Amino acid sequence: QSVLTQPPSASGTPGQRVTISCSGSGSNIGSNLINWYQQLPGTAPKLLIYNNNQRPSGVPDRFSGSKSGTSASLAISGLQSDDEADYYCAAWDDSLNGQVFGTGTKVTVL
Amino acid sequence: QVQLVQSGAEVKEPGASVKVSCKASGYTFTSYDLYWVRQAPGQGLEWMGWMNPNSGNTGYAQKFQGRVTMTRDTSISTAYVELSSLRSEDAAVYYCARAAGYREIDYWGQGTLVTVSS
Repeated sequence: QSVLTQPPSASGTPGQRVTISCSGSGSNIGSNLINWYQQLPGTAPKLLIYNNNQRPSGVPDRFSGSKSGTSASLAISGLQSDDEADYYCAAWDDSLNGQVFGTGTKVTVL
Repeated sequence: QVQLVQSGAEVKEPGASVKVSCKASGYTFTSYDLYWVRQAPGQGLEWMGWMNPNSGNTGYAQKFQGRVTMTRDTSISTAYVELSSLRSEDAAVYYCARAAGYREIDYWGQGTLVTVSS
């Protein structure tokens, strides 16, 4: 039972911009940093965005993150076929004293 | 390069226990917390808990309290998670993962498939 809510799916054509939302509460997104992960089929997740909007080395600048209040979003611009994957937001939750993940969003490139 | 290499797939009967290992290399094992995260077939990611390999301190998600134990052997840079009283709902891929400075997971193990079946 995830406490961070994401839309189950998102889609776009190559080159388009897709945005994924992540909704939480004051004890998680509202108080802590948010991270995003990309999971390609059959593989372990990969860190995409950390500290709300920072990209690890090697992650293209087509991926960007933002946070406002108790919500966050991940944007993918210049959508490519390689971006077809599941995307998860995550944050520490002070009430649960643990990490919580979003419900996950499957991105499809049409 | 940083690597987390996990033990192989397991098949367990309901009620049994399973212990998965995670061998770290390419960095100082005691310098980063480790998380365990699981993913049931076709489902999302579920955080199970954390361990500080230096102190051995642990913190478990409430859902797993009483059934999970996270340990380590610093002499071989290996962490373990043991889950007891297995039920069918525990069938999943179990990942160990390194937590970096902002609690982001910067490295993941390859995953260990645990099947629970009689």
